Amino acid sequence: AAGVIQSPRHLIKEKRETATLKCYPIPRHDTVYWYQQGPGQDPQFLISFYEKMQSDKGSIPDRFSAQQFSDYHSELNMSSLELGDSALYFCASSFRRSGPDTQYFGPGTRLTVL
Amino acid sequence: AQKVTQAQTEISVVEKEDVTLDCVYETRDTTYYLFWYKQPPSGELVFLIRRNSFDEQNEISGRYSWNFQKSTSSFNFTITASQVVDSAVYFCARETPGANNLFFGTGTRLTVIP
Repeated sequence: AAGVIQSPRHLIKEKRETATLKCYPIPRHDTVYWYQQGPGQDPQFLISFYEKMQSDKGSIPDRFSAQQFSDYHSELNMSSLELGDSALYFCASSFRRSGPDTQYFGPGTRLTVL
Repeated sequence: AQKVTQAQTEISVVEKEDVTLDCVYETRDTTYYLFWYKQPPSGELVFLIRRNSFDEQNEISGRYSWNFQKSTSSFNFTITASQVVDSAVYFCARETPGANNLFFGTGTRLTVIP
């Protein structure tokens, strides 16, 4: 079965640079979620989109923005990168149209800020 | 705050032993969902089980079993006859309908020694 695809898998950036992470949900899934997992920590919810509209917002810094496009893929844009942004970024997708559903996670993008 | 507590930070067992991972949650909602995810050393988050608050029936899937007790707000996970491939960090999480995100516990790192 098709899974959530994330690209790139690894990304190295310098401080103050920008980064764009991409997420392609499981086909027919209408909801995308972004999570950040720091070293040795649990995943923290950043933001979600349902049917291309922002659905819920968590602890996402103002330097970050995201959107979901007409083909349901999503991009997380990160600007003015800081050392503390180094983390594993997960995208998850689910099918919420008929009610709460399980979130399936992609393999993650490991961002390193130098 | 509505917390998810995984009091066991790290557990080590010898192969073929049984092991139980504890999860205690707080919630003010009558309807909610609980999850377990596995994060192996490769880093991805693998969905294991989803349980809604109205279904207290215990579940068994192969060597995995889950004990949901609403009276004690616990959702414990047992691995029978553990194997080295079970070595991973296991996260318990909850979702509240309408909140559209997962709130994770801090995880339990399980090491199975051959």
